[in-house]
Order: sequence, then structure tokens, then C-alpha cells
Amino acid sequence: KNQVEQSPQSLIILEGKNCTLQCNYTVSPFSNLRWYKQDTGRGPVSLTIMTFSENTKSNGRYTATLDADTKQSSLHITASQLSDSASYICVVSKIAGGYNKLIFGAGTRLAVHP
Amino acid sequence: GAVVSQHPSWVICKSGTSVKIECRSLDFQATTMFWYRQFPKQSLMLMATSNEGSKATYEQGVEKDKFLINHASLTLSTLTVTSAHPEDSSFYICSARRTSGVSGNEQFFGPGTRLTVL
Repeated sequence: KNQVEQSPQSLIILEGKNCTLQCNYTVSPFSNLRWYKQDTGRGPVSLTIMTFSENTKSNGRYTATLDADTKQSSLHITASQLSDSASYICVVSKIAGGYNKLIFGAGTRLAVHP
Repeated sequence: GAVVSQHPSWVICKSGTSVKIECRSLDFQATTMFWYRQFPKQSLMLMATSNEGSKATYEQGVEKDKFLINHASLTLSTLTVTSAHPEDSSFYICSARRTSGVSGNEQFFGPGTRLTVL
């Protein structure tokens, strides 16, 4: 069964601290994995995208890792800011009919407090 | 590039009325657009896949007669919630799949539409 599981479900950290969000998946055949940031009341915005052969991808203070063997990914946020408060969604693309079908995780709700 | 807009951003309507939500790809063509629904503190759930010039494909459990989808051009898809009821209140998000370019096959999400049915 194609599933994407994220942990923790929610997280509270203090401004300036680092945090790591986890994503485990059982999607096959795998195409790519994306991390999205979704602010409350807004649509998801792509942070990183990784294919099978990529282990690490950075976007500013966001660094994503991918272990295709263990089917695990993480999103590390460095020096958190109040504006990082949002839901972070792990989305795995499955190859289906020549296109990518998106399998969504439930998201991790991050709250950064001053 | 790859900007997707939705209109309106929020709407409040009375029970029994119909509401139309537009999804536009502003700077690229999209033969396929997707409609998602998101309840509070939950992730996006795919409702239907909208293909330009053909009928939409609905996910299991989604009533096609209640959620009418029209994809009349390569840059516009509309979702009409017919005879809306309070349980239809939700956040509706569309995405558009780019048909060409380096980002081909990637979905770009709109900002969402908040529907509240009184």
C-alpha cells in the first residue's frame, strides 16, 4: 500500500533553534520526493525536490535528505524563525500511467515561539 | 514562472446555493489540473483530476454531480459546488501540471479557496 507517514505530528520550538522533521514512505515505483511548506490558509509551496539518486538538497535554511534504501527522508530547519511556523508536508510521487501521482503525508505542524 | 491562482480566495454562501471556484495557470499551459480538499489540521485529499477538453476523473467517494468540474482551456479549470451544505465547508486547493519545460510533470499549487456554507 502506498503510504507516506510523517513525524512528529506537531512540534514546538524556540526561535533560533534547529529541528528535524521525518518522513517514511512505502510508495512504489518511486519517482521523487518533495517537501512543501504550507502556511495557514494558503496553498503548499515547494521547498525541495529529490530524485532517487539524490541524498541531500538544500534551500536556504532548509536541508532535506533522502535515503532511498530505507525509504526515509528528513527536513532539517536551521536557526528557526517565527515565519517558519507552518505545516510541512512530505509528498512522494509515484510513477503511474506515464505521469507522477502524488501521495501526501499528513504533515508536521511546526510552531516557532519567541 | 509556474504561478497558479484561485478565485475567490474565500467565499461565504447560504446552504442550498452553488459556488464556483476558478483555478488559473497564469504563465504556463496545463492540460491537467487537480482539485484537492483540505479539512483543518489534515493534509490535502485529491477530489478529482481535470483534463482539458474531456471529463474529469473523480476519486472514490467524491460525488461528481455535486462537485462539477469544467476544464475548458489550457489555463482554466472551474469547480462548482452545487447545492452547498455546511459539511461542504472546507479549504479547496487546485494544482496545475505543467505540460512542458524543465518542470514538466510537476504540479504547482494555487493559494486555496476557503468555502464557508452557512
